Amino acid sequence: DIQMTQSPSTLSASVGDRVTITCRASQNIATWLAWYQHKPGEAPKLLVHKASTLQRGVPSRFSGSGSGTEFTLTISSLQPDDFASYYCQQYNFSPYTFGQGTKLEIK
Amino acid sequence: QVTLKESGPAVVKATQTLTLTCTFSGFSITTNGMRVSWIRQPPGKALQWLAHIDWDDDKFYTTSLKTRLTISKDTSKNQVVLTMTDMDPVDTATYYCARMGGYDYFDSWGQGILVTVSS
Repeated sequence: DIQMTQSPSTLSASVGDRVTITCRASQNIATWLAWYQHKPGEAPKLLVHKASTLQRGVPSRFSGSGSGTEFTLTISSLQPDDFASYYCQQYNFSPYTFGQGTKLEIK
Repeated sequence: QVTLKESGPAVVKATQTLTLTCTFSGFSITTNGMRVSWIRQPPGKALQWLAHIDWDDDKFYTTSLKTRLTISKDTSKNQVVLTMTDMDPVDTATYYCARMGGYDYFDSWGQGILVTVSS
């Protein structure tokens, strides 16, 4: 199975900060990568697919980049609603696998 | 508007069989390319994809759990059912169902159901 490694596992930041989360794949997955946002008690929400394509309705402060084995999710200016957990997922190979998550906390 | 909702028991005993139902609306699973998956997340651990069923009734399972899982659909009820046999406390997790469109990412999710396996 392809291993997905996210860093950091926890990130403390303030409203207005620019933050970047990194996801590394154990094998080349081209651009077959998605990012999700998850808040406790809610359904996870798709933010980005194909590494850099923003899902409809997702604010433009979110952006994704990368290819091959290294990917990033960037939030350009944190808003109060963005404090949540974030997960990457590869879908180049089955079984589809996820990173262990990054919890974005208020500093 | 696409919605999915998981239902089933909150607690099962070890060795029992778990049956979970995903009831969805806003799309048809008979549409070409449409699929529904089950995914779980044990407390403090990563999300794990378990299985998906396709519009044409093809079924796919994660290798490590393949012998214990069965996925099926009832198109008349807009439901997808997952059964997992021989439950163990390590199977304690929040179980989610999610829609997959033409690609292998999950574009809509349910809120999840926490299933605790008691020993």
